[in-house]
Amino acid sequence: DTGVSQDPRHKITKRGQNVTFRCDPISEHNRLYWYRQTLGQGPEFLTYFQNEAQLEKSRLLSDRFSAERPKGSFSTLEIQRTEQGDSAMYLCASRDSNEKLFFGSGTQLSVL
Amino acid sequence: GQNIDQPTEMTATEGAIVQINCTYQTSGFNGLFWYQQHAGEAPTFLSYNVLDGLEEKGRFSSFLSRSKGYSYLLLKELQMKDSASYLCAVGDQAGTALIFGKGTTLSVSS
Repeated sequence: DTGVSQDPRHKITKRGQNVTFRCDPISEHNRLYWYRQTLGQGPEFLTYFQNEAQLEKSRLLSDRFSAERPKGSFSTLEIQRTEQGDSAMYLCASRDSNEKLFFGSGTQLSVL
Repeated sequence: GQNIDQPTEMTATEGAIVQINCTYQTSGFNGLFWYQQHAGEAPTFLSYNVLDGLEEKGRFSSFLSRSKGYSYLLLKELQMKDSASYLCAVGDQAGTALIFGKGTTLSVSS
């Protein structure tokens, strides 16, 4: 396993469309995180899973955002009815037993 | 509330030493992390402090004072490849997420 994998790397969509991103964490990590990052800012925490349980979702930006991790392995982040303000880099990370976060390369979303 | 402050930009020359400061106010504390992020890439782990004091790892060192809510990252023998954004992050009370500062963009010139 070479690390956290995210797909797609880039997504261009029109306003109002739904988009879904996938994250495959490092296999032995049971904690998975989603962050959003805009230019010149640090990553902004969105939600967190331990195995298949979503333990924190209050920081999801609106009810248009949802995430799943159905079998405790890969996770998906969905944004419904996208808006131009949703344009950002969406980062996934998994965490090891020493508390280190390992990030994927991210999905760059552009909403036209 | 949660607040993490670090300078927006810093500049330095090759071979020099630079110190990037970070102050934090969080509801709880479960460790302080430093990450490096090159433009267009994902953040990569540099250091983790959970106890007060200095942690040294090659050219990079990180210091923590929990009573002062203060940390710094020290980079020695700067190289051009050290030009990047340096992110300070704090583990929150429940240990469920890292909260990141806005990052310090370091530019190293020859």
